[in-house]
Amino acid sequence: GAVVSQHPSRVICKSGTSVKIECRSLDFQATTMFWYRQFPKQSLMLMATSNEGSKATYEQGVEKDKFLINHASLTLSTLTVTSAHPEDSSFYICSARRDPNTGELFFGEGSRLTVL
Amino acid sequence: AQRVTQPEKLLSVFKGAPVELKCNYSYSGSPELFWYVQYSRQRLQLLLRHISRESIKGFTADLNKGETSFHLKKPFAQEEDSAMYYCALRGTGNQFYFGTGTSLTVIP
Repeated sequence: GAVVSQHPSRVICKSGTSVKIECRSLDFQATTMFWYRQFPKQSLMLMATSNEGSKATYEQGVEKDKFLINHASLTLSTLTVTSAHPEDSSFYICSARRDPNTGELFFGEGSRLTVL
Repeated sequence: AQRVTQPEKLLSVFKGAPVELKCNYSYSGSPELFWYVQYSRQRLQLLLRHISRESIKGFTADLNKGETSFHLKKPFAQEEDSAMYYCALRGTGNQFYFGTGTSLTVIP
């Protein structure tokens, strides 16, 4: 299957700092990637759709200035949590589709963010 | 608005017993539904999609538009089926919306 990789897998930062999480499709090109946030024992909440070469599409209630998404190439999307606060601590997961026709999503391993 | 509901957070069955994981959806158009699975310490992966009408690892799921359901079934549960299962809906903008997930435990 296709491989999607996230980095870092774990990050701890101080409140007020910014953190960047990378999502890479290793063996295919992805014009669209999706960023999810997962709270403990809860579902994946879609945050935004990352579109290569254009602005991301954010879901209702997600602050675009807080969660900056850049999809600069067909294999890389980044999520930057700006001025992080403890409530931003969460598990962030990215996914990508290799074939738009099948609709199958390939997921990264996730990134655990802890804001002190 | 699109929504996916999985009413059971936890489900335990004995090995060899039938298992059914419930999923209901709310969607105004023609839905495209999926089941994703996450085994312990692994990433989410596709289990099956309703369009394919396939059986994967003995699991099947039928889309019932009248009941707006897409329940996942397996006649004889195996220990290796223990995992977290997520029902997902593909929306009009090609976004995927996930249910809250059901943690299945198959008791030996």
